[in-house]
Amino acid sequence: KQEVTQIPAALSVPEGENLVLNCSFTDSAIYNLQWFRQDPGKGLTSLLLIQSSQREQTSGRLNASLDKSSGRSTLYIAASQPGDSATYLCAVNSGNTPLVFGKGTRLSVIA
Amino acid sequence: DADVTQTPRNRITKTGKRIMLECSQTKGHDRMYWYRQDPGLGLRLIYYSFDVKDINKGEISDGYSVSRQAQAKFSLSLESAIPNQTALYFCATSESGRPLYNEQFFGPGTRLTVL
Repeated sequence: KQEVTQIPAALSVPEGENLVLNCSFTDSAIYNLQWFRQDPGKGLTSLLLIQSSQREQTSGRLNASLDKSSGRSTLYIAASQPGDSATYLCAVNSGNTPLVFGKGTRLSVIA
Repeated sequence: DADVTQTPRNRITKTGKRIMLECSQTKGHDRMYWYRQDPGLGLRLIYYSFDVKDINKGEISDGYSVSRQAQAKFSLSLESAIPNQTALYFCATSESGRPLYNEQFFGPGTRLTVL
């Protein structure tokens, strides 16, 4: 059974810092991995999707990497801003089954 | 207009009442999902449907039922609401076709309070 873990559960950084959020999964046989952002009380917004054949995906200040063989993905946020404060979730697609979600990392960027 | 809409956005009800939450999508996706989110427990899958004639239980389906009325509509019912069903409920959609196989898109959520 696929399991997804996100560490740390919460992170607080000063504005301007570059940071990395981690996501690990137990079964490396995946189709893709998706990163989401969730603001308090709001829905999830898709940030990036990395296919199993890809190593990286970039969108603006966000860069997601995937190392399928080691069961790890990272989300790199450059030059963090207070507006980046949110919970970030990763989810793994292992095939013709629903996504498996991590519990998220709650990020606070302090001005 | 939003691609995935949920109604109502907020609902307060009493124990024992029957409640229906509705989800509609204009993305043309074949797959739809219902999740609930509780603080500290993350997202948990209630039911999912891979096409109009397909309904599957998720990890926490007890006390819930669903109906896929059309490709674009997926409703979640609480037959007899109880206080521990107080949560934030999300509908999501995805498409089975490649290349972005199963990329999920979420609705804005319904905040349900059962007194």
